[in-house]
Amino acid sequence: EPEVTQTPSHQVTQMGQEVILRCVPISNHLYFYWYRQILGQKVEFLVSFYNNEISEKSEIFDDQFSVERPDGSNFTLKIRSTKLEDSAMYFCASSESSLWQGTYEQYFGPGTRLTVT
Amino acid sequence: KQEVTQIPAALSVPEGENLVLNCSFTDSAIYNLQWFRQDPGKGLTSLLLIQSSQREQTSGRLNASLDKSSGRSTLYIAASQPGDSATYLCAVRPGAAGNKLTFGGGTRVLVKP
Repeated sequence: EPEVTQTPSHQVTQMGQEVILRCVPISNHLYFYWYRQILGQKVEFLVSFYNNEISEKSEIFDDQFSVERPDGSNFTLKIRSTKLEDSAMYFCASSESSLWQGTYEQYFGPGTRLTVT
Repeated sequence: KQEVTQIPAALSVPEGENLVLNCSFTDSAIYNLQWFRQDPGKGLTSLLLIQSSQREQTSGRLNASLDKSSGRSTLYIAASQPGDSATYLCAVRPGAAGNKLTFGGGTRVLVKP
């Protein structure tokens, strides 16, 4: 069964460093998302991406964050200068289509645990 | 702003008992609602998606109901098993433009053998 994959599973970085989290969405999906979950808190939406551009972003997704689809299979989240409060589990998700074309489920990857020290 | 609440935060039941998990949302203008399962330190597994036009959705021992006008959904798990122990999350998608999911805080379930 197709699934969303994410690498690495765990990333430790020092404050101020740049990190790139990688995701491979399900191959026929058109919409891609990043969410995060700070330990003990709710899962929060960060950004959605369609047709090589951001379709929606939350107030969390400031200039320190960027997303890219560098090729036909990968989808990345970059944090330019990490802060202690960026420590969280980051989930990538994908879905077949959007609200306007018939809504389908979002499928989530296993997550990358980011620890900023 | 949409707020999603799940009560109780934790639930412990003996094996074989039926589970009833609640989800409420403040803005009834949703497009759909998804229920997820999350095991400790793991990702989210989609269990059921229920469209705003549906009242109910079933998959095996799982049944989800939706009362959009009152802003509530309930997930029923029949004949619980120890393997059902996990955190269950509900999430809603807005009815207006936008695909983001807004999540509840989850209900942590323990099924005791």
